[in-house]
Amino acid sequence: GAVVSQHPSRVICKSGTSVKIECRSLDFQATTMFWYRQFPKQSLMLMATSNEGSKATYEQGVEKDKFLINHASLTLSTLTVTSAHPEDSSFYICSARGTEYNQPQHFGDGTRLSIL
Amino acid sequence: AQSVAQPEDQVNVAEGNPLTVKCTYSVSGNPYLFWYVQYPNRGLQFLLKYITGDNLVKGSYGFEAEFNKSQTSFHLKKPSALVSDSALYFCAVRDLNYGQNFVFGPGTRLSVLP
Repeated sequence: GAVVSQHPSRVICKSGTSVKIECRSLDFQATTMFWYRQFPKQSLMLMATSNEGSKATYEQGVEKDKFLINHASLTLSTLTVTSAHPEDSSFYICSARGTEYNQPQHFGDGTRLSIL
Repeated sequence: AQSVAQPEDQVNVAEGNPLTVKCTYSVSGNPYLFWYVQYPNRGLQFLLKYITGDNLVKGSYGFEAEFNKSQTSFHLKKPSALVSDSALYFCAVRDLNYGQNFVFGPGTRLSVLP
């Protein structure tokens, strides 16, 4: 149980394009979803937290107009990287947590984004 | 503020030997503690958690961790390491006084040598 599907697993695109990443909880209702960015050989950096039906809460230094997050249902959150540039290239990981407060986050397999 | 430290960037152990990956934390209230493992180009997989109760927690793949409140530690252990255990391990803490987010440690790369 507690499976999170993240799609696509890899994206290569030109600078200036927008990229959408989907994160789905397949067998549970995710009241909260998290988006992380991971640089090579580093830990996860939280970008934003989203609760279903509410606006996402962004961490300091993360541009909300650059990284658009939508959490329209209890099973789906999307991250759109708008007008992507090479410095946005990274490994993006989503996670989801259900309604129980002491439950772990369950992670997707990540999306490797490469902007040329 | 909450924080997590993993003092070792890299841990090497021979296959069949016991392994320990260290984690210490700092929170203002009672901690929820978690261990995750990450394989190359994959997301994080949940291994185990401590919420309350017994200080020794057993998790997936034969891993266990011991919560030590006086030393504010939550070290991950396994009695006999496998080559397939080689991966990146993250300790995480959640402090209810600071909302719903986890704080992750910097990660420890475990290499099990055949």
